[in-house]
Amino acid sequence: EIVLTQSPGTLSLSPGERATLSCRASQSVFNTYLAWYQQKPGQAPRLLIYGASSRAIGIPDRFSGSVSGTDFTLTISRLEPEDFAVYYCQQYGSSPLTFGGGTEVEIK
Amino acid sequence: EVQLVESGGGLVQPGRSLRLSCAASGFTFNDYAMHWVRQVPGKGLEWVSGVTWNSGNTDYADSVKGRFTVSRDNAKNSLSLQMNSLRAEDTALYYCARAKYCTGNTCLRSAFDIWGQGTVVTVSS
Repeated sequence: EIVLTQSPGTLSLSPGERATLSCRASQSVFNTYLAWYQQKPGQAPRLLIYGASSRAIGIPDRFSGSVSGTDFTLTISRLEPEDFAVYYCQQYGSSPLTFGGGTEVEIK
Repeated sequence: EVQLVESGGGLVQPGRSLRLSCAASGFTFNDYAMHWVRQVPGKGLEWVSGVTWNSGNTDYADSVKGRFTVSRDNAKNSLSLQMNSLRAEDTALYYCARAKYCTGNTCLRSAFDIWGQGTVVTVSS
């Protein structure tokens, strides 16, 4: 099973700042099949990024994903008020599908 | 509107059974593999199970293997999760989710582009 470790646990930033979220895999993720989700309180997760760096339909271009080896990064270039939420990574390169523990982006 | 609506959650005693359902609308249901994902309130997400578009293949997390069974009825645009021998650690919000951006041709490994709002399962005596 691939374990995904997200860091930091909480990121305290102000609107307009840049957010950098990390997701480290315990082993290689096949074909970099990794997705990022945003979840707000009381809501279901929302798909942001798939294949490590491709934006899902309707996702603003301030969200971007990148990968270096087993280290995956979600970057939000300039935080909007609606971006404060919890973010999860998920690998779908191998079974079982696994999620990271999440990073909360909170308003500073 | 593309939509998934879960139902069937509730309070159940340990060792008992429960069946969850997910009604799909707004898309061609039998074009997609479907999955169940759960979340303990205030905690992270855990993939539970998936089924291919034609029910030809299924997959399960080790934590539920042998106790849970996923199925679908394409004629009714419906996904189900039969949960037997329930344990306290199965307590969670259960989401159904549509497979998208799959690896391979089964879509049992995929990201999830559409999610329902979830149904709560509480296992307690």
